[in-house]
Amino acid sequence: GAVVSQHPSWVICKSGTSVKIECRSLDFQATTMFWYRQFPKQSLMLMATSNEGSKATYEQGVEKDKFLINHASLTLSTLTVTSAHPEDSSFYICSASLDRIGYGYTFGSGTRLTVV
Amino acid sequence: AQSVTQLGSHVSVSEGALVLLRCNYSSSVPPYLFWYVQYPNQGLQLLLKYTTGATLVKGINGFEAEFKKSETSFHLTKPSAHMSDAAEYFCAVSGGATNKLIFGTGTLLAIQP
Repeated sequence: GAVVSQHPSWVICKSGTSVKIECRSLDFQATTMFWYRQFPKQSLMLMATSNEGSKATYEQGVEKDKFLINHASLTLSTLTVTSAHPEDSSFYICSASLDRIGYGYTFGSGTRLTVV
Repeated sequence: AQSVTQLGSHVSVSEGALVLLRCNYSSSVPPYLFWYVQYPNQGLQLLLKYTTGATLVKGINGFEAEFKKSETSFHLTKPSAHMSDAAEYFCAVSGGATNKLIFGTGTLLAIQP
């Protein structure tokens, strides 16, 4: 079945540094990937939609200069949290769409980011 | 715009009892509906989905859900709860011009022995 690999699964970084999270579709080509943020005991908030070869579309209220998304190939999307601060600490999850019409999605295992 | 409402942020049932997790949606286009389960510090696993066709959908681990257009609902049920069912459950909707997946706020299911 469709598998999405997300790396790293957890990361601790110092305030002011940048962190890159990778999301790879292992056995299929994902033309669209999504990035979500999840606060403790809360739902998943869609941050942005990433399409291969084009700029990401960010949801309202998400800082595009802080959360840089790159979808350079059909199997890889990256999220870079720039100049991280403690309030950026969260659980980040990527998802790949299996088609263009919303029939199916596969999720990565998530990345726990802690900024100290 | 699409949205999902999950009634009950916490649900507790006894082992062996019926599980009912409620989900209502709002969509201006025919919706695609999903139920996902999440265990602590993990990603999401698809339980089942409705796209078109039969309104009663059977998923993994004995779960099923029924799409009721007249009630704009997609409630998740399981006849007999197992301890391993304890987790967070999310209802989600997609469809329309974009294929964004929009989540409800989640329901934490606890199973009492």
